Amino acid sequence: ETGVTQTPRHLVMGMTNKKSLKCEQHLGHNAMYWYKQSAKKPLELMFVYNFKEQTENNSVPSRFSPECPNSSHLFLHLHTLQPEDSALYLCASSRTRGGEAFFGQGTRLTVV
Amino acid sequence: ILNVEQSPQSLHVQEGDSTNFTCSFPSSNFYALHWYRWETAKSPEALFVMTLNGDEKKKGRISATLNTKEGYSYLYIKGSQPEDSATYLCAFSDNQGGKLIFGQGTELSVKP
Repeated sequence: ETGVTQTPRHLVMGMTNKKSLKCEQHLGHNAMYWYKQSAKKPLELMFVYNFKEQTENNSVPSRFSPECPNSSHLFLHLHTLQPEDSALYLCASSRTRGGEAFFGQGTRLTVV
Repeated sequence: ILNVEQSPQSLHVQEGDSTNFTCSFPSSNFYALHWYRWETAKSPEALFVMTLNGDEKKKGRISATLNTKEGYSYLYIKGSQPEDSATYLCAFSDNQGGKLIFGQGTELSVKP
């Protein structure tokens, strides 16, 4: 148990659906991250939030829309995804940007 | 583009063998080098965060070294055990924004 909770753990969605991934931490961390893990590829940074402000968007397509309403919660809103977006999506938090990261268990997303 | 390379991609050893992996990263704008262990069906967990050139860290049978001038870090496991089987990830953060960039990982399998 790392203190970072992601829901849901598994998600199957059609290409026309809209869904959201949720990440929650009560570690008092100020930075939160979304990563994507595709098969046989490194963890790919998607977004970084620091004190609720987005500080990094790693050229992510607009069909992925992050939201950070407060320092404890991070969402990833999904709409009109493609099958190639199927992957494991990991949330992480750290006390400071670039510090030791604590990861959630991920959401396994399948787009059909 | 920040590039983090790990080798080997995978490693199969017998219980009791000692092993080591390599992580290479950009030598400019260095802030920190992280090592994580990622066991199947779990979250990645931090092993070490190193910031100083020449740093050596140890946790039980696992140790790591850091050379920021030439841009590499080694992770050593002494007397491997089956429970060490996991993917070992290194991640680099620079002093330009603190985002963590991961290598593709080394998958270690330890046979009893």
